[in-house]
Parts: sequence; structure tokens; C-alpha cells
Amino acid sequence: DSGVTQTPKHLITATGQRVTLRCSPRSGDLSVYWYQQSLDQGLQFLIQYYNGEERAKGNILERFSAQQFPDLHSELNLSSLELGDSALYFCASSPRPGSTDTQYFGPGTRLTVL
Amino acid sequence: GQNIDQPTEMTATEGAIVQINCTYQTSGFNGLFWYQQHAGEAPTFLSYNVLDGLEEKGRFSSFLSRSKGYSYLLLKELQMKDSASYLCAVKVTNAGKSTFGDGTTLTVKP
Repeated sequence: DSGVTQTPKHLITATGQRVTLRCSPRSGDLSVYWYQQSLDQGLQFLIQYYNGEERAKGNILERFSAQQFPDLHSELNLSSLELGDSALYFCASSPRPGSTDTQYFGPGTRLTVL
Repeated sequence: GQNIDQPTEMTATEGAIVQINCTYQTSGFNGLFWYQQHAGEAPTFLSYNVLDGLEEKGRFSSFLSRSKGYSYLLLKELQMKDSASYLCAVKVTNAGKSTFGDGTTLTVKP
């Protein structure tokens, strides 16, 4: 158990819908990362937040958005869902940017778009 | 752009030694990670290298050559539970952004 929690574990929805994935980082960690892992692709970095501020952006679609709240939990919002958005979405946390930045991953949310 | 290459699949025998290679060409380098990921589960941290050389941690060792853009993960005394995907990741910015390779699926056979 990494100490990072994600909800829900599974989510099944239809094309065109909007969903929200939630992540709580390890106690004391200030940085949160979001990744997408499809069957035919490796881990794709989406976005990073540090202490409430966006820190780095990867290949995140405009239909996707995220935020980190004052209590440091984070939410990833996916809208106008398409079949290709079906994937495992991982959240990871680390203490702070810089240093070794070992990232601790949550168990993931499996999103299925029908 | 970022490019990280690893072999797609490897097979080894229980009790043996296996080396998984990773080569990278990235816009920045602030360290290299190895993660283990069992199917359907979250990646778990194995090692971190930022300086050239070998880091040993139990049955697992990781090597880095920054001048060659090359790393390897060495697994000794293989066990069946080591069957998993091994991900090489480069921290490309000091802020923590990392780029992951597609992973190497290791199958350990009796």
C-alpha cells in the first residue's frame, strides 16, 4: 500500500459523458501527478500539481482538466468522453519537486467508455 | 522530443540473472527511475540513479551512464513473482516531470 488513494476503482460510462476521478496523496506529499495508461501504450504523463499550483503539463487533451485543492487532494475531470479514453488512470504523489522525486502510485481508476 | 527505448519482452529462468536495458534521448535529464508493474496494478518504485555507476539494492541493481544515455536493471536469483513489466522513466525536469518507456514484460519460467 503506497498511501495514495484513488476513487473510484472502476468507472463505466458512455461516450459524451463527463467523469471526475479523485486522488488523495500520501500524508505530507505536496506534489500530485496524473497518468493515463492504455492497453497499447505505456504510462503517459498528463499533468502535475505542486501545493495547489500547476507545475508541468504533458499530453493532456483540452477535454481533460485537473486541479489540486487546499487539502492537497486532486481531481481529474474528463469530459466529452470518447471510446479511446478507456484506460487506467493513475495518480502519483511525491514530497516536493527536486530531490529524488520518487513517485508513489495509487491503485488507479479503470475507466471504460462504452 | 523524448525517446525512451526498452525491449518489449524478455524471458528468463527461475534462479537466473536477467538484464533489462534502457536507452534514452530526452530534452533534459534529472535522474532515471526503474519501476515494477504487475498486470493491472500500480507501478512500484525500484531504483533511482542520477550519477553514473551501479546502485545495488538486494536482488536488484541499476546502472547508469549519462554520457551514453543508457541504463540497465539487473535482477538476480529470479523468482516467479518477478514476472512483471519493468518501466524505465527519465525525470526530464527538475520540477519532477517524468517520461516513461513502454516497459519490458519479463516472464520468469520454472
